Amino acid sequence: EDKVVQSPLSLVVHEGDTVTLNCSYEVTNFRSLLWYKQEKKAPTFLFMLTSSGIEKKSGRLSSILDKKELFSILNITATQTGDSAIYLCAVLPINTGTASKLTFGTGTRLQVTL
Amino acid sequence: DVKVTQSSRYLVKRTGEKVFLECVQDMDHENMFWYRQDPGLGLRLIYFSYDVKMKEKGDIPEGYSVSREKKERFSLILESASTNQTSMYLCASSLRPHYEQYFGPGTRLTVT
Repeated sequence: EDKVVQSPLSLVVHEGDTVTLNCSYEVTNFRSLLWYKQEKKAPTFLFMLTSSGIEKKSGRLSSILDKKELFSILNITATQTGDSAIYLCAVLPINTGTASKLTFGTGTRLQVTL
Repeated sequence: DVKVTQSSRYLVKRTGEKVFLECVQDMDHENMFWYRQDPGLGLRLIYFSYDVKMKEKGDIPEGYSVSREKKERFSLILESASTNQTSMYLCASSLRPHYEQYFGPGTRLTVT
């Protein structure tokens, strides 16, 4: 059974801090790892990582994948209160038939305080 | 921009009622998914569909059924709602099997 573990479960930081969120996985026939941000409603897509060692970046957020050690990190620099959310990690296996199913971790709850 | 909409944001139903949750996407996506999200358990896949009239069970299909009569619409049906189906229900869609999924705003269902 595919498994995704995120750490820490929750985190409180001050505005301006840099944070690192972790995601480790065990999955048969790994294809990609995805990060989502969930505020009060729908998860919104951040990154999809398929290749090891290649950083993806969007503004103050960046992420990298290590396929040998089976983990990914999501970095947020110069955090703002608007970064407060649950960050979800999910893995996507190679499609062996119809549609590919995401397996999600339980998320990291980040709170950024003034 | 991809838009995924769900018929209700909040819903309160009684035990034993039949419940329909509807999801519509406007980007001609092939694949559509229904998840439930519960504290400490994360998102769990209930059913998904890879084409019109095609469906497959996810990880927790018991007590649910689905319908996909048109490409843009995917319905989740609770035949006889029970209190353990109180949850946040999220619909998602993706263009192709290996593409990222886009989520709707969610329906918070309470069964009393």
